[in-house]
Amino acid sequence: GENVEQHPSTLSVQEGDSAVIKCTYSDSASNYFPWYKQELGKGPQLIIDIRSNVGEKKDQRIAVTLNKTAKHFSLHITETQPEDSAVYFCAALGSGNSGYALNFGKGTSLLVTP
Amino acid sequence: GAGVSQSPSNKVTEKGKDVELRCDPISGHTALYWYRQSLGQGLEFLIYFQGNSAPDKSGLPSDRFSAERTGGSVSTLTIQRTQQEDSAVYLCASSLASSTGGAYGYTFGSGTRLTVV
Repeated sequence: GENVEQHPSTLSVQEGDSAVIKCTYSDSASNYFPWYKQELGKGPQLIIDIRSNVGEKKDQRIAVTLNKTAKHFSLHITETQPEDSAVYFCAALGSGNSGYALNFGKGTSLLVTP
Repeated sequence: GAGVSQSPSNKVTEKGKDVELRCDPISGHTALYWYRQSLGQGLEFLIYFQGNSAPDKSGLPSDRFSAERTGGSVSTLTIQRTQQEDSAVYLCASSLASSTGGAYGYTFGSGTRLTVV
């Protein structure tokens, strides 16, 4: 089945700096890659997603890039703010026995310090 | 409702007891998923429901776990004879579904925090 690796597990940046979180996946047939933000005590919330037919997508301060050849995708947050502090999860839609269920990375705890 | 609703938000149970966790998805979302989130871990897939199709139970960790979805809406996850290792946050999500399955983002509920003592 699909295996999603996410790095780093923790990331600390100063307010205004950029943050980058990277993920790799194993199933070359995967075609959908969402990113979720989880704040304390809440469920994960979709913040951006990308499909396999594009290489980059941007929404204000966040962007995601996808390299299908290398099977990796990244989340970029620019001009970080303290409210960006949360746990971020990447995911990939596998094609195995859970072909319609997302496989998630283990998460990155992002801390933005003022 | 406006979002995915899960109940209870917290559940403490004694080892060996059965528990039921409830999920009320967004109206019109035909796909429903259960995930388990253990401390410091990612989200572990448990089970997937899509419309009237047979559920994908491939992620259920043991036969003590079962789930059903009545009328294509509300779902209940049941854990029998709970063990301490079942302690985790159980998350439910729903989504629209396309011909490629989960190619729409999920909307998650806030989860049920289960503690087995």
